[in-house]
Amino acid sequence: KNEVEQSPQNLTAQEGEFITINCSYSVGISALHWLQQHPGGGIVSLFMLSSGKKKHGRLIATINIQEKHSSLHITASHPRDSAVYICAVRSMNYGGSQGNLIFGKGTKLSVKP
Amino acid sequence: DVKVTQSSRYLVKRTGEKVFLECVQDMDHENMFWYRQDPGLGLRLIYFSYDVKMKEKGDIPEGYSVSREKKERFSLILESASTNQTSMYLCASTAGRPSNQPQHFGDGTRLSIL
Repeated sequence: KNEVEQSPQNLTAQEGEFITINCSYSVGISALHWLQQHPGGGIVSLFMLSSGKKKHGRLIATINIQEKHSSLHITASHPRDSAVYICAVRSMNYGGSQGNLIFGKGTKLSVKP
Repeated sequence: DVKVTQSSRYLVKRTGEKVFLECVQDMDHENMFWYRQDPGLGLRLIYFSYDVKMKEKGDIPEGYSVSREKKERFSLILESASTNQTSMYLCASTAGRPSNQPQHFGDGTRLSIL
C-alpha cells in the first residue's frame, strides 16, 4: 500500500471550472507539500502545510491532520494550469531531519479552452 | 530565488558507460537529493546528502553512487549504465537541519541508455 495516495490520477476540465485534487496519507507527518510539474519536467513548490489552509492567487490548499487528508483547489481554471500536481509528505520517521519527502504518484490535469 | 542547475536536459549514453549527472545549487543549502521519475511510479529517492562528503542511501540506490566534495555540488554516478536506468532524473536541495523548508528542484535530466 502506498503511503501517499492521490485522486484522481487524471483530470480533464473546461476552462473556468473549479478543480479539486485530493491527497490521503497513512503516516505521521510534520508537513505536506503540493508541487506542480509542467511538461518539460521542472518541479515548482506551490505550498507547504502543517495545518489549516493556505491561499495563493487562484490556488487553495487545505489539510486535515486528524483525517490525514489534504486537498488542492484551483478556482477559475485556465489552460496554463495544465500540469501534473504532486502531493508529498515529510514523515516524522523517514529522514525528516534532512527534509526527506514521500511522494504521491501525481494527478495529471488538463484544462481545455 | 534559489537556483538548482542540472548540467544536461537530455542525455543519450550506451550500455556499460559510466555516466555522470551534475547538480549545482546557489543558496548554500545543506541538503541535496537525487530522484528518478518513471511513469506510474512517481518520484523515488536514490541518494541524499546532508553535508559535504556525507551521503545516505534512499529507496533505490542500487546501480548508483554519489559524490559531494563541495557544498554546492552533488553528483550522481551510474557506474555501468543499463537500459533500466533510462529515466528522468531530478535533483533537489533544501536548507536547514532539521529541514522544514520546501525542496527546490532542478529542471531534470532525461537520460536514455541505448
